[in-house]
Amino acid sequence: AQTVTQSQPEMSVQEAETVTLSCTYDTSESDYYLFWYKQPPSRQMILVIRQEAYKQQNATENRFSVNFQKAAKSFSLKISDSQLGDAAMYFCAYTSNSGYALNFGKGTSLLVTP
Amino acid sequence: ETGVTQTPRHLVMGMTNKKSLKCEQHLGHNAMYWYKQSAKKPLELMFVYSLEERVENNSVPSRFSPECPNSSHLFLHLHTLQPEDSALYLCASSQGTGEETQYFGPGTRLLVL
Repeated sequence: AQTVTQSQPEMSVQEAETVTLSCTYDTSESDYYLFWYKQPPSRQMILVIRQEAYKQQNATENRFSVNFQKAAKSFSLKISDSQLGDAAMYFCAYTSNSGYALNFGKGTSLLVTP
Repeated sequence: ETGVTQTPRHLVMGMTNKKSLKCEQHLGHNAMYWYKQSAKKPLELMFVYSLEERVENNSVPSRFSPECPNSSHLFLHLHTLQPEDSALYLCASSQGTGEETQYFGPGTRLLVL
């Protein structure tokens, strides 16, 4: 079974600063996909970024980037120039071609202070 | 309407009631999902439909009954629920299954009294 671990229940960052959220996963699959989702107080789960395991290049979406370390099974999210609107729960998730489910971590609550 | 919509957004029901949750996707996707999000627990997959056929039922009690009449609509019929079923129920859709990105609706907050 695949598991996703987010070891930081809460993180805090000042506006305009950079923060990194950690995620590790466990799998025996070679072909899989990793995601970061954001869930603000409105509860809507919003896709932040996606990474294909076969790609060596780290995915980037504007201020959001990942550090994907396949051998270490690590997938961290870096948020640059943090904004107040970035405050939310952030979930790391995993899926593979052999299954249907997204396997989620327990989430990291990010607080952004002015 | 765009994306994935869910109704109602909030629902309070007694243990003897019957109610239904509705999900609609406007993305032309072929797969739809129900997830349960409880406090302090990771999201749990409940059901998966691909091309209107149920492809996964993740050991969900029979008091939850899904229905997928077409690729754009997904229902979750609820009857004789328990207080521990109180949670946020999230619907998602994707183009296909497997590696396809899932897009989520805003959820239905359910409280069972």
